[in-house]
Amino acid sequence: AQKVTQAQTEISVVEKEDVTLDCVYETRDTTYYLFWYKQPPSGELVFLIRRNSFDEQNEISGRYSWNFQKSTSSFNFTITASQVVDSAVYFCALSGYSGGGADGLTFGKGTHLIIQP
Amino acid sequence: DADVTQTPRNRITKTGKRIMLECSQTKGHDRMYWYRQDPGLGLRLIYYSFDVKDINKGEISDGYSVSRQAQAKFSLSLESAIPNQTALYFCATSDFGTGGYNEQFFGPGTRLTVL
Repeated sequence: AQKVTQAQTEISVVEKEDVTLDCVYETRDTTYYLFWYKQPPSGELVFLIRRNSFDEQNEISGRYSWNFQKSTSSFNFTITASQVVDSAVYFCALSGYSGGGADGLTFGKGTHLIIQP
Repeated sequence: DADVTQTPRNRITKTGKRIMLECSQTKGHDRMYWYRQDPGLGLRLIYYSFDVKDINKGEISDGYSVSRQAQAKFSLSLESAIPNQTALYFCATSDFGTGGYNEQFFGPGTRLTVL
């Protein structure tokens, strides 16, 4: 069975601080995909990034960066110089691949990030 | 226009009633999914479909059924609603590209309250 753990239920920082959201996953699949989604107060789910299990390169997109480490089964997300608009619930998710197609996502419980002005 | 739409957006119903949530997409994706979100629990997969003839149970399918009427439409039914089915329901779609499994695109959600 697959599992995603986001141990940080809530994080509160002051604007302009850097913040890292942790994600640890479990899977028996050799091919799998990892995702981060953002859910702002308005409720929609916004896709941020996808990583497949063969690609351990870290990625940077503006103030966002992701650190994927298969050795520790972690896919952490860092926001640099946080802004109030970054306040949201962030979900890490995992998908396996089983023969005829890709499975649905297994989500972590989410981390509620609060950026205080 | 939104690529993934859900109707209704909000619904209040009573215990024992049958209710259907509908999802439509214009993305041309083969795969469609239904999830529910409960506070503090993240999203959990209810059902998913790879095409009109392929329906699969997810983690929490008990008490739910689905129908894939067409590639673009995927409905979720609660045959006899109960209060613990009160949740935010999301529909999602995806396709499989040359780079592998692409991200899922989510609808705006349906907030269901069962009294």
